[in-house]
Amino acid sequence: EAGVVQSPRYKIIEKKQPVAFWCNPISGHNTLYWYLQNLGQGPELLIRYENEEAVDDSQLPKDRFSAERLKGVDSTLKIQPAELGDSAVYLCASSKNNAGGASNEQFFGPGTRLTVL
Amino acid sequence: GNSVTQMEGPVTLSEEAFLTINCTYTATGYPSLFWYVQYPGEGLQLLLKATKADDKGSNKGFEATYRKETTSFHLEKGSVQVSDSAVYFCALFTGGGNKLTFGTGTQLKVEL
Repeated sequence: EAGVVQSPRYKIIEKKQPVAFWCNPISGHNTLYWYLQNLGQGPELLIRYENEEAVDDSQLPKDRFSAERLKGVDSTLKIQPAELGDSAVYLCASSKNNAGGASNEQFFGPGTRLTVL
Repeated sequence: GNSVTQMEGPVTLSEEAFLTINCTYTATGYPSLFWYVQYPGEGLQLLLKATKADDKGSNKGFEATYRKETTSFHLEKGSVQVSDSAVYFCALFTGGGNKLTFGTGTQLKVEL
């Protein structure tokens, strides 16, 4: 079974340019997460989707970040315009959550390492 | 709010040495606790978990016990190998927020 797929793996851009990251979760996983991981830190949740609905985007900087999961499968995270401080690893994860919000395992992709110059 | 505190790294050990990585947490309610491992260039992988007090999670020779009285979930392994070199993250999950809260990670380096 394929794991969570992310692309690109690496991206280098100039500041003020736009950038987009793509994630394809594990087949059948209804919940999708985007995390931000700064160097030397643990991942921090940006947004969580249940199917195509964003149910927690409280940590997403909405002035420059946007995300979508139009058909409840793959997802795109966009930054426009990028700033120097956005340099980090962007992780996607998915899980198959049952009703009741049990602690179902999240499966992580390899991440996209963004460098903003 | 919820938080996880891990011992700072890097932790450098010789092969076959005993490993302890400390993890304590602060949470409302009754969280589930996890250890994730991140090998170089790869995504996080679940190593083990415990969902209630006194539960012991174990996998690949690693163990951690959910201690509610000390709010801790320390990771241990009796004999580490070079292949265990990675970054280890302690995390908690609460159903109310339905999200994982991670510690800052502890880098482990195992040398021959």
